[in-house]
Amino acid sequence: DAGVIQSPRHEVTEMGQEVTLRCKPISGHDYLFWYRQTMMRGLELLIYFNNNVPIDDSGMPEDRFSAKMPNASFSTLKIQPSEPRDSAVYFCASSLPGLASYNEQFFGPGTRLTVL
Amino acid sequence: SQKIEQNSEALNIQEGKTATLTCNYTNYSPAYLQWYRQDPGRGPVFLLLIRENEKEKRKERLKVTFDTTLKQSLFHITASQPADSATYLCALGASSASKIIFGSGTRLSIRP
Repeated sequence: DAGVIQSPRHEVTEMGQEVTLRCKPISGHDYLFWYRQTMMRGLELLIYFNNNVPIDDSGMPEDRFSAKMPNASFSTLKIQPSEPRDSAVYFCASSLPGLASYNEQFFGPGTRLTVL
Repeated sequence: SQKIEQNSEALNIQEGKTATLTCNYTNYSPAYLQWYRQDPGRGPVFLLLIRENEKEKRKERLKVTFDTTLKQSLFHITASQPADSATYLCALGASSASKIIFGSGTRLSIRP
């Protein structure tokens, strides 16, 4: 398996623009997580899905952020409009069926987002 | 509120010595504790999981302890090597939850 795939790897955009980050989880994994990592705040969980259904979005910073998982092999995280404080590395991770807090998470390579 | 603290400063260790990293938590009763390794420019990689009823877990040169009374986990790397240099993250999970909460990480440098 190729592991968790994220695209793009790097994104530079201007404030106010819409940004869409993409993730393909490992086949057979039914949990999908979106994280944001910054030096100041570390690795923060934004939202996670189980069987394509959003379970907990309490970490989503505000209404400018939205996430979807239309099928088991694809998820998007959208920021509209983007702001400079959204600059961070965004990771997608997936894990096997079962209790996600017990199972290891497999992380993608991340998308480094820079909002000018 | 829940809080996870790891060594706030970077850790510099001489090659061959044992590196010990600390993970302390408050206002939380985790059922599981995981340790991940993260290299620059890459996503975290899972290393070990220890359950609340386990005192110690080993994997090759790695050893993890979990003391629910002290609310602390220690992560040891014996016979450290420069290739062990990375940031190490602890993460806590509850038995009823499907998410884990990460600490801020400790940057470990092993000098030859």
